[in-house]
Formats: sequence, C-alpha cells, structure tokens
Amino acid sequence: DIQMTHSPSSLSASVGDRVTITCRASQSITNYLNWYQQKPGKAPKLLIYAASNLQSGVPSRFSGSGSGTDFTLTISSLQPEDFATYYCQQSYSTPYTFGQGTKLEIK
Amino acid sequence: EVQLVESGGGLIKPGGSLRLSCAASGFTFSNAWMSWVRQAPGKGLEWVGRIKRKSDGGTTDYAAPVKGRFTISRDDSKNTLYLQMNSLNTEDTAIYYCTTFYSSNWYGSYFDLWGRGTLVTVSS
Repeated sequence: DIQMTHSPSSLSASVGDRVTITCRASQSITNYLNWYQQKPGKAPKLLIYAASNLQSGVPSRFSGSGSGTDFTLTISSLQPEDFATYYCQQSYSTPYTFGQGTKLEIK
Repeated sequence: EVQLVESGGGLIKPGGSLRLSCAASGFTFSNAWMSWVRQAPGKGLEWVGRIKRKSDGGTTDYAAPVKGRFTISRDDSKNTLYLQMNSLNTEDTAIYYCTTFYSSNWYGSYFDLWGRGTLVTVSS
C-alpha cells in the first residue's frame, strides 16, 4: 500500500497568515493527489484534485502543487473558517490511502 | 439539491451484521461511481470500497480489512447505494460516509460529494 505522510501533524497560525502543509507519498504517485478539509462533526470536503486543480466553489486562497512524491497545500491568507483538519489522499493505486491529517488551529 | 444521505447505523455486537443505505438525489445516480469511506472515532479517513456504474461493468473493489466481509451494491431504480457488513468486529466502529467517486486518466480519482455519515458502533 502507498503510505501518505503529512507534515506537520498540527499547526498553529493566525488569521491572515500564509500556511503551507506538506504531504509525502511512499512512492511516486505522479499527480494523483487530492486534498480534503474536515471540520469537527462534519464530512470531509474536496478542495483540490489532481494535485493542483481547485474544486468548484472552493476559494482561490487555496492552492496545491507538487508531483511525484512531494505535494503542498497552501492557504494564502487564513480566514477564520479555514481552521480545520486537512487530509491528502492518493488515487494512484488501490487501496486509496489518506494521510493522517494536519490539524490547523488558531494561534 | 445534490445530496447523499446515509442511514442504517447503530450499535451492533461483535460478529453481527448490518446494512447501511445511502440515498442519492439531485444528480443521475446511475451514471455515478460510488464509494464508502470510514472514520474511526478521533482517527483519520479510510477507504472501504468502490462500485462502478453498471455501464462500466458495475464491479466492486475493497480495502483489505473488509474484503470478504463487506459487500457494496447499488439499486439504480431507487437511487440507493448499500454497504452490507458481516462478521463485524470492534475495529469496524466508525462513521461511514457515502461518497461519489470521480475517475479519469487525466485527473485520477477523487471523492467529490460526501454524505453526512452514519455511525456504526461494534461493542458487546
């Protein structure tokens, strides 16, 4: 199975900050990497697909980049509603695996 | 409104069986590939399995921990997805989410629409 590893596991930041979350795959997954946001008690929400494509309706302050094994999710200017847990997920091969998540908290 | 609504969760004893349902609305269910993803309490997300649309063969694929115990099926006439879970154990305790599953060679695959989930608790 392909292992997905987030860095960091948790992060404290302030409104207006620029934040970058990293996800590393245990082998090359080309650009088959997706990002999800999950708020407490809610279902995950797709943010980015195929490493850098913004899902419809997602604010443009979210962006994704990377290919191969290393990927990043960037939030250009944190808003209060962005404090949540973020998960990466590979779709290169089954089983489709998720990272353990990065919890973004208010500083 | 485009939505997925899961039902059927609850408390079940180890070794028992349970069937979850997912009612789809607002889109053409028969055209959609579908999937189940679960999340144990306080833990991360785990893919459970996927079913293709009938025009693509309607085949299923499962994660190793559930293969042989869980079965995904669909009734396109009722716009409903199912997850039959047998031989349940405590490690199956989780919120089970129904999702649409988009797949292409260019963009890979992703879970784009999610239901709110239904909680399954396996405990004696």
